[in-house]
Amino acid sequence: DQQVKQNSPSLSVQEGRISILNCDYTNSMFDYFLWYKKYPAEGPTFLISISSIKDKNEDGRFTVFLNKSAKHLSLHIVPSQPGDSAVYFCAASASRDDKIIFGKGTRLHILP
Amino acid sequence: KAGVTQTPRYLIKTRGQQVTLSCSPISGHRSVSWYQQTPGQGLQFLFEYFSETQRNKGNFPGRFSGRQFSNSRSEMNVSTLELGDSALYLCASSPGTGPDTQYFGPGTRLTVL
Repeated sequence: DQQVKQNSPSLSVQEGRISILNCDYTNSMFDYFLWYKKYPAEGPTFLISISSIKDKNEDGRFTVFLNKSAKHLSLHIVPSQPGDSAVYFCAASASRDDKIIFGKGTRLHILP
Repeated sequence: KAGVTQTPRYLIKTRGQQVTLSCSPISGHRSVSWYQQTPGQGLQFLFEYFSETQRNKGNFPGRFSGRQFSNSRSEMNVSTLELGDSALYLCASSPGTGPDTQYFGPGTRLTVL
């Protein structure tokens, strides 16, 4: 049973436009959500996080939105740049000390 | 500051064998977590060690085990290898203050024939 779902395996966006990556979760105990970015042949790197007490967190070009009632979060990248082409993983945990459950990832292609 | 290192980077084994993977965390980090990445299942949490104690555990069979040494280095062992164990095994270290302070290594690519 997949508790964190990223239903789009891939996404292509024009450079300069907004990239929106979506993630759904099923476990209502999840309290902390993260996004990671992964380039080929490298380990994932932490991008941005949000706790359940917030509905939005922003860091530069990256914004994460959380809709707890819908059990849905999204990552917005504005404007999209060529270096943003990577696989993005959504992840969740019941607390900051608990194990992290990852989605299967979405491959983002930024088109010139 | 040196990053997380994993050895070996690539490994080929046959079914039934066992394997030990090593992870050296960033200096000062006391938490080490292990993950398995496969195309079908994505990234799956195996276990986390903090100060030599297993703090969290994923849903993997007992063939997967780990340990952490007093210098925070960690090893992961898989016994009686199966074809389905072929995967990228990632190690991540953190000071233990939360997943947003977690740094991943490049992984060990294990192929089971």
